Amino acid sequence: QKEVEQNSGPLSVPEGAIASLNCTYSDRGSQSFFWYRQYSGKSPELIMFIYSNGDKEDGRFTAQLNKASQYVSLLIRDSQPSDSATYLCAVAGDSWGKLQFGAGTQVVVTP
Amino acid sequence: ETGVTQTPRHLVMGMTNKKSLKCEQHLGHNAMYWYKQSAKKPLELMFVYSLEERVENNSVPSRFSPECPNSSHLFLHLHTLQPEDSALYLCASSQQGSGANVLTFGAGSRLTVL
Repeated sequence: QKEVEQNSGPLSVPEGAIASLNCTYSDRGSQSFFWYRQYSGKSPELIMFIYSNGDKEDGRFTAQLNKASQYVSLLIRDSQPSDSATYLCAVAGDSWGKLQFGAGTQVVVTP
Repeated sequence: ETGVTQTPRHLVMGMTNKKSLKCEQHLGHNAMYWYKQSAKKPLELMFVYSLEERVENNSVPSRFSPECPNSSHLFLHLHTLQPEDSALYLCASSQQGSGANVLTFGAGSRLTVL
């Protein structure tokens, strides 16, 4: 069974601090990695994706990928109350779109 | 209309009813998906339609029946459902074959089976 694992949280983060979310995956053949954000009662929306080992930055968000260790992480800098949501990690082995999702990490940013 | 639209947003049905969920994408994508989201569980891929070919998760019960008449429309026909089928059903679309297969989700249809 191919799995994507995330801590369910909640992860409590003071406003202005860095939130660090981790995700591990079991399929070594995975090629692309995605982070989605889902607000309560809403549908998931893409934050960013990453293919290659290393860091990828987009505004306050940084994705980090380490294929050898089979983990991908998301850093949220200068966390804001509007960042309070569930963050879903997704992993794809091919271009078919058969994304394997984790159960998500709930982040709560406290003023 | 923009993006991916789903109707109805909320549906309550009895175990003997027959209903359908509808999804329409306005993005010109070539693939559409049905996902099931239950509380505290990962999104579960139910069906994929890509270039008119259907790919399905073999664990999905036959009481769920998809239909994709064209690349912009997707239906999920429901019959004789069970209470454990109560969940949020998300439709998504993507453009396969153009790099990262990024999914765009609809707002979802919240299904309650009594």
